[in-house]
Amino acid sequence: AQTVTQSQPEMSVQEAETVTLSCTYDTSENNYYLFWYKQPPSRQMILVIRQEAYKQQNATENRFSVNFQKAAKSFSLKISDSQLGDTAMYFCAFMGHSGAGSYQLTFGKGTKLSVIP
Amino acid sequence: EPEVTQTPSHQVTQMGQEVILRCVPISNHLYFYWYRQILGQKVEFLVSFYNNEISEKSEIFDDQFSVERPDGSNFTLKIRSTKLEDSAMYFCASTLTPSQETQYFGPGTRLLVL
Repeated sequence: AQTVTQSQPEMSVQEAETVTLSCTYDTSENNYYLFWYKQPPSRQMILVIRQEAYKQQNATENRFSVNFQKAAKSFSLKISDSQLGDTAMYFCAFMGHSGAGSYQLTFGKGTKLSVIP
Repeated sequence: EPEVTQTPSHQVTQMGQEVILRCVPISNHLYFYWYRQILGQKVEFLVSFYNNEISEKSEIFDDQFSVERPDGSNFTLKIRSTKLEDSAMYFCASTLTPSQETQYFGPGTRLLVL
């Protein structure tokens, strides 16, 4: 079974600064996908960024980028030029083949990020 | 931009009552999911559904739960006899192909069992 670990329950960052959220995972699979989802106070789950394990290049989406280290099974999220609207819970998620032809997301426990004005 | 919708946004029910949570996935998507998030905890997989049958279910998804696609658009989660511990946020998600596509989440239904 896959596991996803987010070791930072809470973090804070000054507006306009850069912050990195950590995520590690455990799997025996070679092909899989990794995601970061954002959950603001409204509790909606919003996709931030995704990474395919077969791609060596780190994914980037505007101010959001990842540092994907496949050998180390590490998948951190970097937020540059932090904005007040980035305040939210951030979940790292793993998607691999779970058997029976099904793919399901396995989530970490989340990191609560506060952007301070 | 197409999106997953869920109704109701909030539901309060008495313990032992049946509830039906509704989802309208993105129109061309074929695979559907329910996830649950108890307050303050992580999101957990409940069930996946494809071609009018369950593909996989977690150990949380016991006999009290059922899913159905009653027509071409709705995807429902039924809890037959709710328990206090069923209080949670329930998210529906959909994707076109499960192995390559991102799962897009609805806004969730907040269920409170009293």
